Amino acid sequence: EVQLVESGGGLVKPGGSLRLSCAASGLTFSNAWMNWVRQAPGQGLEWVGRIRSITDSGTTDYAAPVKGRFTISRDDSKNTLYLQMDGLKTEDTALYYCTTIQSGGFVYWGRGTLVTVSS
Amino acid sequence: QSALTQPASVSGSPGQSITISCTGTSSDVGVYNYVSWYQQHPGKVPKLMIYDVSYRSLGVSNRFSGSKSGNTASLTISGLQAEDEADYYCISYTTSSTYLFGTGTKVTVL
Repeated sequence: EVQLVESGGGLVKPGGSLRLSCAASGLTFSNAWMNWVRQAPGQGLEWVGRIRSITDSGTTDYAAPVKGRFTISRDDSKNTLYLQMDGLKTEDTALYYCTTIQSGGFVYWGRGTLVTVSS
Repeated sequence: QSALTQPASVSGSPGQSITISCTGTSSDVGVYNYVSWYQQHPGKVPKLMIYDVSYRSLGVSNRFSGSKSGNTASLTISGLQAEDEADYYCISYTTSSTYLFGTGTKVTVL
């Protein structure tokens, strides 16, 4: 059974930083293209970014609102995905999910970790 | 890039069919067949329903179907049931190598 477990969320002041983690099990993590998706309270889903598998270059892509502030990385030896968030803004307040694509869709999702940006 | 456009709400009676549209541009929906649909019940994790425009995810009822014409993708739910009441989101790959979600549609079963 595939499991994705996010952690690292919390309360941070505007301008601050936070690093989220996503521990994966039940899949060949090194082959997986991993994504972050967020959902602000009471709002819709927003794709944040993704990282390709190392064998497929390991490169990243980001949504415009977070480009230059957020960095996605992975440690295949630990089956863990990361999201480094710098220069946080109040509009970054959201539940952050990690998810992976298989067969053309985001099949597996974690339960999310809540990030609150407030002074 | 703005979110893909979906109607804010769609409703129908049990047994009826409803269709949710997802309108993008020639930089996303119109150029790729990489459109998928997600169902999200309140407080729950999104669930993949349809991928690559029209393929049902494993275990999804055949009452759910997807299609695309030009820059607009659609999700049809036939034989509407109470359990279908949820929020639905489309997402498309884009020419910028990013993904774009739709604005979301609340489905109400009357």
